Amino acid sequence: GAVVSQHPSRVICKSGTSVKIECRSLDFQATTMFWYRQFPKQSLMLMATSNEGSKATYEQGVEKDKFLINHASLTLSTLTVTSAHPEDSSFYICSVPTSYGYTFGSGTRLTVV
Amino acid sequence: AQSVTQLDSQVPVFEEAPVELRCNYSSSVSVYLFWYVQYPNQGLQLLLKYLSGSTLVKGINGFEAEFNKSQTSFHLRKPSVHISDTAEYFCAPIYDKVIFGPGTSLSVIP
Repeated sequence: GAVVSQHPSRVICKSGTSVKIECRSLDFQATTMFWYRQFPKQSLMLMATSNEGSKATYEQGVEKDKFLINHASLTLSTLTVTSAHPEDSSFYICSVPTSYGYTFGSGTRLTVV
Repeated sequence: AQSVTQLDSQVPVFEEAPVELRCNYSSSVSVYLFWYVQYPNQGLQLLLKYLSGSTLVKGINGFEAEFNKSQTSFHLRKPSVHISDTAEYFCAPIYDKVIFGPGTSLSVIP
């Protein structure tokens, strides 16, 4: 089956710094990847769609300049949280559509202090 | 508008009892339907999916779901739950992208 690797699993950063999260498809090529955000006890909210070779598509209300997405290759998408603030603390999850359905990464717990 | 409803935010159930987690979706077009499970501080794991064909879908860990087009429902069931089934469950229809329901927290009581 399809395998999606997300790194890091946990990160703590200081307020005002930037954090990069990687999402890799290990055994297949992905022209599209999705980035979600999940607050405690809540559902997943789609932030943006990452497109290889073109700009990401952001959902309404998501700041493009704050959440930078780069789909560098057919196997890698990165989400960079710039100038992070405590309210950005959350669980971030990537997802890749495959012939098996949608495969999710294991998630990244971001804590901004 | 495309949306999904999970009527029960929390479902407590005793071990070895049956359980049903409800999901209703809105759609005027054909959709694909998924159920995912999330254990604490982990990503999502696919339980089962309906793409086409038989309306009764069997998944992992003894779960099954039935697609009912007339009622626009895709309820998840398990005849006998275990402690290890305690987790968050998300119904997710796919339109042009995956939309997640609000989730149902299943708590299995020993």
